[in-house]
Amino acid sequence: GIQVEQSPPDLILQEGANSTLRCNFSDSVNNLQWFHQNPWGQLINLFYIPSGTKQNGRLSATTVATERYSLLYISSSQTTDSGVYFCAEDNYGQNFVFGPGTRLSVLP
Amino acid sequence: ETGVTQSPTHLIKTRGQQVTLRCSSQSGHNTVSWYQQALGQGPQFIFQYYREEENGRGNFPPRFSGLQFPNYSSELNVNALELDDSALYLCASSRSMNTEAFFGQGTRLTVV
Repeated sequence: GIQVEQSPPDLILQEGANSTLRCNFSDSVNNLQWFHQNPWGQLINLFYIPSGTKQNGRLSATTVATERYSLLYISSSQTTDSGVYFCAEDNYGQNFVFGPGTRLSVLP
Repeated sequence: ETGVTQSPTHLIKTRGQQVTLRCSSQSGHNTVSWYQQALGQGPQFIFQYYREEENGRGNFPPRFSGLQFPNYSSELNVNALELDDSALYLCASSRSMNTEAFFGQGTRLTVV
């Protein structure tokens, strides 16, 4: 099945800084999603982005399906952005395979 | 439109017992998937139900079983609980296979 890698594993930022999180895939990208897991464990949908670029406020994402990677950009980070960010790819329509996550800490 | 809801939110069970977790899918969604997330790791796929039929299963033993009901809500049952079953259990629903998935808030299971 598909393998998903995420980098960096950990990231510490000062409030107001920008960051880029990366997701690499071992196979073709068909149904990619980015999530933010809050401290209570809920996975919050950020982007459904099989290809192209999307923006939502301070967050944007780009997926280059032909090169099997996706990037999540966070601009002007806030303390509420802290948490774990996961990318996940659909495994041939059956289930999502998650990366190991990037743990982001935004300091005031 | 209500989101995905799971119950209970927290649960403590004794090794060897059985547990049932519940998930109400989002309105209009016919596909439900269950995931187990151990501390510090990404969610791992348990199984998926599509229109009341199991549509795929991850690397979990048979003591993990499930159901999907005609209203597309779902249950996850775990028999003969082991200490390693302690985890956050997440349910996701989607309009169909190969479409955007939405997750519930999870059930945190502790086995003692």
